[in-house]
Amino acid sequence: GAGVSQSPSNKVTEKGKDVELRCDPISGHTALYWYRQRLGQGLEFLIYFQGNSAPDKSGLPSDRFSAERTGESVSTLTIQRTQQEDSAVYLCASSLLAGVGNEQFFGPGTRLTVL
Amino acid sequence: EDKVVQSPLSLVVHEGDTVTLNCSYEVTNFRSLLWYKQEKKAPTFLFMLTSSGIEKKSGRLSSILDKKELSSILNITATQTGDSAIYLCAVASGGSYIPTFGRGTSLIVHP
Repeated sequence: GAGVSQSPSNKVTEKGKDVELRCDPISGHTALYWYRQRLGQGLEFLIYFQGNSAPDKSGLPSDRFSAERTGESVSTLTIQRTQQEDSAVYLCASSLLAGVGNEQFFGPGTRLTVL
Repeated sequence: EDKVVQSPLSLVVHEGDTVTLNCSYEVTNFRSLLWYKQEKKAPTFLFMLTSSGIEKKSGRLSSILDKKELSSILNITATQTGDSAIYLCAVASGGSYIPTFGRGTSLIVHP
């Protein structure tokens, strides 16, 4: 598969539970981004990685959110003690390099529903 | 704070119509403007614009940037039902590696 993949595609969880969302970027892409999209809203930046480092975590909404990336490849976004307001589609994107002019390729997203 | 505003928020047309979607921005140290098409969940890249007045074209879609007016338009001619999607505009500025996205324009094309 040449594209960005994400799993699971859908996740339904109960309030207070922890969830892990996974992103597999395009092979060789050094930059990886996480976005959140609430219903009817635009893309909300969460965090990006250059290699395994996260230079910009400014978009993480609270300390319940964390992300890591290993092997300059797969990334995991973890949401602890989920709340109903966390319900959204979580999109991952990768690009060859971070920065302007580097086209971001998006994955299919994970739809998270917190009951 | 960088800002990207798209208009209209939604648009309903019939097949064969031509549509124009707008994107205006306020950013520090503009670098590029990007258009994406979002069907279901994943946005797909359409165009990246960096220079004013130069039209980018792909089939029935075209886009142009006006740096003086701080805006861009995306034109779709002879619309088809497959053009139904949310069209997202994003602007990248020199101070950040992260583009700022607008809320999108929802386009519905009826047969």
